[in-house]
Amino acid sequence: EVQLVESGGGLVQPGGSLRLSCAASGFSFSNFAMTWVRQAPGKGLEWVSSIVGSGDNTYYTDSVKGRFTISRDTSKNTLYLRMSSLRAEDTAIYFCAKEGRDLGSYPKYWGQGTLVTVSS
Amino acid sequence: DIQMTQSPPSLSASVGDRVTITCRASQGISNFLAWFQQKPGKAPKSLIFAASILQSGVPSRFSGRGSGTDFTLTISSLQPEDFATYYCQHYFTYPRTFGQGTKVEIK
Repeated sequence: EVQLVESGGGLVQPGGSLRLSCAASGFSFSNFAMTWVRQAPGKGLEWVSSIVGSGDNTYYTDSVKGRFTISRDTSKNTLYLRMSSLRAEDTAIYFCAKEGRDLGSYPKYWGQGTLVTVSS
Repeated sequence: DIQMTQSPPSLSASVGDRVTITCRASQGISNFLAWFQQKPGKAPKSLIFAASILQSGVPSRFSGRGSGTDFTLTISSLQPEDFATYYCQHYFTYPRTFGQGTKVEIK
């Protein structure tokens, strides 16, 4: 059974940093692309970033480029999202998701999310 | 970037009704389209991929159609557990984008 458990969310001041983690189990972690999707309070879903199985290729939405870094540690079966220069508009629930395959796929399985609040 | 436009933003329907949600891409995406269901306070759930293929375990009252720029999600006979918000997402290229969502409410 695929399980994805996010952690690392919390309250952070504008301009601050945070690192989210997503512990994955139940599948061969290195064989699948992984994705972060966020949802601001009362709003819709927003794709944030994806990383291929090897970790060699990463992709970002424009609003987080240069501020967020996605990475993965195959030895720990864990996905990360390093967030810096945080802004109020980054406040959201952050979901990690396992894609259907390594390339050209969609978020097939989702974690329960972790809340990030950017406020002074 | 490819924009995804869903309609309607919300709808009210009764149990047993047939419901159709539309998703339009700003450029052709072949069949690289997925649909998701989200209930309040829960993570999204994948319903359909490749525009028309049901995920394992998804009831057959759900169906998806379309290719290119125009897509639909249809619920043939709405059940109480189907009241939720539905999102489309393309995965044709990066950046991926979601539609704005369609909230299906009880009439």
